[in-house]
Amino acid sequence: NAGVTQTPKFRILKIGQSMTLQCTQDMNHNYMYWYRQDPGMGLKLIYYSVGAGITDKGEVPNGYNVSRSTTEDFPLRLELAAPSQTSVYFCASSYSRRGRYSNQPQHFGDGTRLSIL
Amino acid sequence: GESVGLHLPTLSVQEGDNSIINCAYSNSASDYFIWYKQESGKGPQFIIDIRSNMDKRQGQRVTVLLNKTVKHLSLQIAATQPGDSAVYFCADPDTDYKLSFGAGTTVTVRA
Repeated sequence: NAGVTQTPKFRILKIGQSMTLQCTQDMNHNYMYWYRQDPGMGLKLIYYSVGAGITDKGEVPNGYNVSRSTTEDFPLRLELAAPSQTSVYFCASSYSRRGRYSNQPQHFGDGTRLSIL
Repeated sequence: GESVGLHLPTLSVQEGDNSIINCAYSNSASDYFIWYKQESGKGPQFIIDIRSNMDKRQGQRVTVLLNKTVKHLSLQIAATQPGDSAVYFCADPDTDYKLSFGAGTTVTVRA
């Protein structure tokens, strides 16, 4: 299994440009997440989705948009790139919400390294 | 704000020694914790998890200890190897499985 696949791996954008970071998973996971990781910091949640057609904001959603038309795909869109969005972006997925007898850790992709100049 | 935090940002360990990485949490209702390892240029990788009805859980060369009284957990790595060099995160999922990550502890293994 490929697990969680993110594309592209690297990208340089100019201020004001837009782009979509792609994420797909082949584990039939209901839950998907987007995080950003700044140097020396932990991961901050941008958006998440509990299933196709449902998305919700995380800690740092400003400047980003998401959609979830299928179980497999969860693209992240930057509409007007700003230098503050220079970061490493990770997509993750998990099978189900945490339940009393559920041990379901998230599975992560290898990230997209985005620089905005 | 963060509900979990790691105590030390860096840890230097001699190859073959044991490593101990600490983490504190603030939410008394938390009942499931996960340790992740992140190697350079990679995404976080699941290492081991523990539920609050356990004090200790062992995996291959790793042990997680949970002290609910002081809201503290630790990850112990036995016989640390060069491949263990990475950033280690503890994470606490909430009801929608959103993870709160600490800043991470960078473990460097000295030959």
